[in-house]
Amino acid sequence: GAVVSQHPSWVICKSGTSVKIECRSLDFQATTMFWYRQFPKQSLMLMATSNEGSKATYEQGVEKDKFLINHASLTLSTLTVTSAHPEDSSFYICSARDLGGWAYEQYFGPGTRLTVT
Amino acid sequence: QQPVQSPQAVILREGEDAVINCSSSKALYSVHWYRQKHGEAPVFLMILLKGGEQKGHEKISASFNEKKQQSSLYLTASQLSYSGTYFCGTVSTSGTYKYIFGTGTRLKVLA
Repeated sequence: GAVVSQHPSWVICKSGTSVKIECRSLDFQATTMFWYRQFPKQSLMLMATSNEGSKATYEQGVEKDKFLINHASLTLSTLTVTSAHPEDSSFYICSARDLGGWAYEQYFGPGTRLTVT
Repeated sequence: QQPVQSPQAVILREGEDAVINCSSSKALYSVHWYRQKHGEAPVFLMILLKGGEQKGHEKISASFNEKKQQSSLYLTASQLSYSGTYFCGTVSTSGTYKYIFGTGTRLKVLA
């Protein structure tokens, strides 16, 4: 099956610094990738839709200047959390659609756990 | 408008059955089911499409009522490995493609 990787798996950073998370589709091309955030004991909340070659579409309430998304190629999307604060600590998961796949099937990365101290 | 799942949580003994429901306020094109273990990414279980097509694991079954905008996941003869949080993910028929997760159902299977 299709594989999506994320890097890093976990990161600890100081408040005020920026953190970049990479999401890669390893064996398929993904024109669209999605970024989710999950707080403890809660569901995954869609943050933004990342489109190759164009601006990301952010969900209501997500600050686009704080969560910068770049989808530079058909296999790579990056999420940069700028000026991170403790309340940004969360589990960030990306997913990608395989357009050659069946019925909008999505493949999820393993997630990145961000802790801001 | 996040799909609502019920029950919120359930505890079973090995071998017992469970049903998890997912209800959306929007007309749906497809429903996807995932299981997530603590600290891990969701694992795909099943997709159900409007019109009746479905794809998933042999030991998992589910239904999709398009008119009611509801889906149910059936777990039979539960095993310890079934423990986790189950999410439905939905794609609506209106507007652009957007994938929204349900509220989640925590399932624990006891020996």
